[in-house]
Amino acid sequence: AQSVTQLDSQVPVFEEAPVELRCNYSSSVSVYLFWYVQYPNQGLQLLLKYLSGSTLVESINGFEAEFNKSQTSFHLRKPSVHISDTAEYFCAVSAGFQKLVFGTGTRLLVSP
Amino acid sequence: DTGVSQDPRHKITKRGQNVTFRCDPISEHNRLYWYRQTLGQGPEFLTYFQNEAQLEKSRLLSDRFSAERPKGSFSTLEIQRTEQGDSAMYLCASSPEGAFFGQGTRLTVV
Repeated sequence: AQSVTQLDSQVPVFEEAPVELRCNYSSSVSVYLFWYVQYPNQGLQLLLKYLSGSTLVESINGFEAEFNKSQTSFHLRKPSVHISDTAEYFCAVSAGFQKLVFGTGTRLLVSP
Repeated sequence: DTGVSQDPRHKITKRGQNVTFRCDPISEHNRLYWYRQTLGQGPEFLTYFQNEAQLEKSRLLSDRFSAERPKGSFSTLEIQRTEQGDSAMYLCASSPEGAFFGQGTRLTVV
């Protein structure tokens, strides 16, 4: 079975500052890793994913995440956040293309 | 728009009533998933189809819940005799690589 831990329930940050949202996972088999963003009363939007290959993956809106197998982590980073990045962020893991197991989410609060 | 479509977006029902939700996946995706999300939590897996075959069901899916995917296209999720604890966002997703989610159906049981 897989599990995901997002230690920070909320991360406040000022606009244009860098941010890191932490994600650690547990699994006895190889996994795929995902980050999703959710705005209020909306579904989840896929931000980025790690399936294989380069351990650093990037999204089109400036986020990046690095798969670290030895530390079982997949932290999400952005060098400079915008007000519009305020949302809930979920890390998820799957063993093969089966069900996703999600963390409890991190609320990113960007203030001016 | 060729994304995952869910209907309705919102549903308010009285306790004890039956409700049915529909999900239309991205057309070329053969895998379809249902999840449930309660306030302040991440989505939790309910069930999964590959084409028309229901391959896995979570223990969260009590016998009041049933899901179908006739002909391997759209899927329905029915909840019978709704309870207040069923109030949640019900999310549908389709694959193959990573799950692409619909906007969800928010169910409120009063």
